[in-house]
Amino acid sequence: AQSVSQHNHHVILSEAASLELGCNYSYGGTVNLFWYVQYPGQHLQLLLKYFSGDPLVKGIKGFEAEFIKSKFSFNLRKPSVQWSDTAEYFCAVNARTGFQKLVFGTGTRLLVSP
Amino acid sequence: GAVVSQHPSRVICKSGTSVKIECRSLDFQATTMFWYRQFPKQSLMLMATSNEGSKATYEQGVEKDKFLINHASLTLSTLTVTSAHPEDSSFYICSAPGPTPGELFFGEGSRLTVL
Repeated sequence: AQSVSQHNHHVILSEAASLELGCNYSYGGTVNLFWYVQYPGQHLQLLLKYFSGDPLVKGIKGFEAEFIKSKFSFNLRKPSVQWSDTAEYFCAVNARTGFQKLVFGTGTRLLVSP
Repeated sequence: GAVVSQHPSRVICKSGTSVKIECRSLDFQATTMFWYRQFPKQSLMLMATSNEGSKATYEQGVEKDKFLINHASLTLSTLTVTSAHPEDSSFYICSAPGPTPGELFFGEGSRLTVL
C-alpha cells in the first residue's frame, strides 16, 4: 500500500528565510506526486505536480519541488518565504496505474512571521 | 478555477441523529466525487468515491451503512452520517477530479461535532 510521510508537522520561519519541506513516499511502482496547500480559511488547492520529465517542477507563487526517485522523495522548496505563505502544506501521491486514488501525508503547518 | 462547495461548513448534532452534508460542483460537471475524513493532526483519509448514477465505492474499513453516499446528479453528491456518535466527530471534505489524474478540486470542508 502507498504511504506518504511528511517529517515536519510545524515549521516557523521569518520572512525571507528559505523553506524546504520534506516528503517521502512508499510505493513500488510509478507514481504521480503533488503538493497541495491550504491557506487559512480557504479550500485545499494544488500547488504543483510531477508526472514525468524534468524532476524539478515549478508551481505557483515561487514554489518548486524536486523528485528524487532514488530517495523516494519530493521535497518542496521556496528560496524566500513571505508572510502570505503561512498555510498548511500536504504532499500527496497516486499510482500511475489502476485506480487513481490520492494518498496524503499528514501535512506541515507553516507559520511565517513578518 | 473550478469551485466545489460544501454545506454546511459546521454542524453540531446529538448522538443518534443523522446529518447530511452536501457537496456541489458549481461550474462544472463531476461524474465522480471523493469524500475524505480528517482527524486532528492526521492526514486526509479517503472514505469513498461517489459515482453519478451508480453505487459508491467505499474504502476498506468504512461502514457503508453508517456513511451513506448518494450522487444524485452531475453536480451534487451527499454524505449522510447515520446514527451519529461522538467518535464520528471529524472534518469531512469532498473533492472532484480536475483535468489531470490526481488533480482535485476541494470543497471547504464540513466540521461535524456529535454531542
